[in-house]
Amino acid sequence: NAGVMQNPRHLVRRRGQEARLRCSPMKGHSHVYWYRQLPEEGLKFMVYLQKENIIDESGMPKERFSAEFPKEGPSILRIQQVVRGDSAAYFCASSPPGQGFRRTEAFFGQGTRLTVV
Amino acid sequence: AQTVTQSQPEMSVQEAETVTLSCTYDTSESNYYLFWYKQPPSRQMILVIRQEAYKQQNATENRFSVNFQKAAKSFSLKISDSQLGDTAMYFCAFIFWGGGSQGNLIFGKGTKLSVKP
Repeated sequence: NAGVMQNPRHLVRRRGQEARLRCSPMKGHSHVYWYRQLPEEGLKFMVYLQKENIIDESGMPKERFSAEFPKEGPSILRIQQVVRGDSAAYFCASSPPGQGFRRTEAFFGQGTRLTVV
Repeated sequence: AQTVTQSQPEMSVQEAETVTLSCTYDTSESNYYLFWYKQPPSRQMILVIRQEAYKQQNATENRFSVNFQKAAKSFSLKISDSQLGDTAMYFCAFIFWGGGSQGNLIFGKGTKLSVKP
């Protein structure tokens, strides 16, 4: 059973370009969370998705950032017109369906390190 | 607002000794879950231990144990018989449901632990 897969591991973009980060959750997991980790900081929640639905995007910047989790395929975090301040590690986590304690079994991918030059 | 505070940015310990990492949190929720995650240089986020807030008994996982003081909102991690492989960033985090939260993790800023031979 493969873990949470994120790709690419490293992504370099020039200012103004678009960045697309992919996350394939663990098999059987229906909840996907995206987090951002700035240097010397903990992870900050960005968005929570289920298949074809954005459940909570309260941590997403209002502009340039979007996320989706289509019926087929990985979850995508898209950053348009990247700026230097977007440089960070972006982590995806998935958890199984259900409520309560079982939902706390969040498994993380290895992250994508985005560098904007 | 829900917050997690780790007051020790860096700590070091000699191999085979015991070290305790501190964490305090602030929430008005009564039912929540607390976690310690380990992030080694590989950047992978690894769940070390978790605690259900309604359980008084402290969680233990092999060499890792917690001291959960609900009234004081304190959740410290004790690592016994420290090993070189324990060298990593350690993040305290919690989850709650309700009040608009959908079960996303809230992280502290981390403690960098170095185990010295």
